[in-house]
Amino acid sequence: GAVVSQHPSRVICKSGTSVKIECRSLDFQATTMFWYRQFPKKSLMLMATSNEGSKATYEQGVEKDKFLINHASLTLSTLTVTSAHPEDSSFYICSAWDRGLVKLFFGSGTQLSVL
Amino acid sequence: KQEVTQIPAALSVPEGENLVLNCSFTDSAIYNLQWFRQDPGKGLTSLLLIQSSQREQTSGRLNASLDKSSGRSTLYIAASQPGDSATYLCAVVSTGNQFYFGTGTSLTVIP
Repeated sequence: GAVVSQHPSRVICKSGTSVKIECRSLDFQATTMFWYRQFPKKSLMLMATSNEGSKATYEQGVEKDKFLINHASLTLSTLTVTSAHPEDSSFYICSAWDRGLVKLFFGSGTQLSVL
Repeated sequence: KQEVTQIPAALSVPEGENLVLNCSFTDSAIYNLQWFRQDPGKGLTSLLLIQSSQREQTSGRLNASLDKSSGRSTLYIAASQPGDSATYLCAVVSTGNQFYFGTGTSLTVIP
């Protein structure tokens, strides 16, 4: 079945540094990928929709300069948390849309901790 | 490793029927369980979140139950409407904060 690989699974960084999270569709082409964030004890929150070859569409309240999304190929989307601060600590998860199967597949998530 | 299964994979019902979607998981050491809705080409919409200490959550026509000991959750939809047509996903969050998603149930409500 279709697989989405997300790396890293866990990252700890110092305040002020930037962190890049990768989301890859391993055996299908994904023209659309989604990025989510989850706060403790809360449900997933959609951050942005990433379309291959074009700018990402951000949800209201999500800072596009803070969370840079690049979807340069049909199998890779990246989320870069720029100048991370402790309040950015969260669980981030991506998903990729498989048009052939008409299904959404999810990565395993990234736990970001900013010290 | 946690495995999450949803049955049925697809369901078609006439408008107005009550229906139940099932989600089962193999490891009862969960933090919470969530039900999501997915419309074609869209991201997930969260429907209900049940903490591991809870047995039930309700929102409008939706009711989700959780039986941790048997590794089961159900999503009950009352008086179904065509607008309910979508794919429904359950997700189990382990105590290690790992997400495990089910394969989804594709629901079609026929007017």
